[in-house]
Amino acid sequence: AQRVTQPEKLLSVFKGAPVELKCNYSYSGSPELFWYVQYSRQRLQLLLRHISRESIKGFTADLNKGETSFHLKKPFAQEEDSAMYYCALSGNSGNTPLVFGKGTRLSVIA
Amino acid sequence: GAVVSQHPSWVICKSGTSVKIECRSLDFQATTMFWYRQFPKQSLMLMATSNEGSKATYEQGVEKDKFLINHASLTLSTLTVTSAHPEDSSFYICSATVFGEQFFGPGTRLTVL
Repeated sequence: AQRVTQPEKLLSVFKGAPVELKCNYSYSGSPELFWYVQYSRQRLQLLLRHISRESIKGFTADLNKGETSFHLKKPFAQEEDSAMYYCALSGNSGNTPLVFGKGTRLSVIA
Repeated sequence: GAVVSQHPSWVICKSGTSVKIECRSLDFQATTMFWYRQFPKQSLMLMATSNEGSKATYEQGVEKDKFLINHASLTLSTLTVTSAHPEDSSFYICSATVFGEQFFGPGTRLTVL
């Protein structure tokens, strides 16, 4: 069964502290993994995807197939990073729906 | 990036009435769109896959006669909540895929009194 697990509902960190948002998945095959972010009163938007291996807004995520994890990291949190973060996966056939984790609310404290 | 719009952005209706929500791809064509539902402080749950020119594919537990989906053109999918009840109150979000990336609409908040 396809499943995405985000164990933390809420994560509070101080500004300038490192951030790690955890994501584990289960999928039979080779999924595509994504992180989506939803800022207050805005639509869901893509933050990064594992196949592009980019760093967006200072965030990175490495796919660890052995641990079936795709944790999101940032070395120094900023106040504007406060948002809801969703880890998601899809099959790699291109036009498949996303399976979302429950989300983690990141609160960066000044 | 590609833009997906939804209309209306919010709607309040009486129990027993039907509500139609539109999802449009503004600058691209989408043969497939997805409809999600999000309860307060919860994650998005896929309701159905909307396929242009054919029947939608519904997820297990989603009543197809309750949530009617029509994808009549390459830029428009509609979700009609029929005989709405208070338990249908939720945030409905659509998305469309372009080059393997899903773009989401802003969502429609439905409140059934």
